[in-house]
Amino acid sequence: RKEVEQDPGPFNVPEGATVAFNCTYSNSASQSFFWYRQDCRKEPKLLMSVYSSGNEDGRFTAQLNRASQYISLLIRDSKLSDSATYLCVVSVYNNNDMRFGAGTRLTVKP
Amino acid sequence: SAVISQKPSRDICQRGTSLTIQCQVDSQVTMMFWYRQQPGQSLTLIATANQGSEATYESGFVIDKFPISRPNLTFSTLTVSNMSPEDSSIYLCSVLTLASGELFFGEGSRLTVL
Repeated sequence: RKEVEQDPGPFNVPEGATVAFNCTYSNSASQSFFWYRQDCRKEPKLLMSVYSSGNEDGRFTAQLNRASQYISLLIRDSKLSDSATYLCVVSVYNNNDMRFGAGTRLTVKP
Repeated sequence: SAVISQKPSRDICQRGTSLTIQCQVDSQVTMMFWYRQQPGQSLTLIATANQGSEATYESGFVIDKFPISRPNLTFSTLTVSNMSPEDSSIYLCSVLTLASGELFFGEGSRLTVL
């Protein structure tokens, strides 16, 4: 079983839609969770950290379910500029060992 | 934040040769890492580059194949040795900012082995 698993997509949605991605992780001792965004032929960049109580940043909401070992990302009111690959990232030891999921590709269409 | 410069940005190499990738950071950082991203795949951690000592390699990666140097807190190199077409990939340098726990990446070095 992979350490971090994501639905690869692609997700093709119209502008303004709400879309949700899920990610599961195998190591129950995992402590830190993140969503990164990677544009085509670019390096990954941090989108948001995921906190135990859930957190929101504008149109983006992240949730963590430790009991079921999954993380989610919800994007509301999708914009064309949201088109990218979204990477789920999990760490066990002080972020020294970040493990990346394979990514979920999102395309937002006019 | 951290600004990371990697070079070369891309290269095409012959089977059996070696290539060294350089990574320069604009500030002193404790944690530096090397990742690999194969076509259509996600990032795989190769090793943690330790300043002044041997790198710490992940399972499946060995020093003879991927020797790493880190002479100071702002610079590291990764060598891909005795290359084969299976080594064709993007190699990314990254640094961890302890304050925020955020990983910053270089733009990557795209390697094609013929």
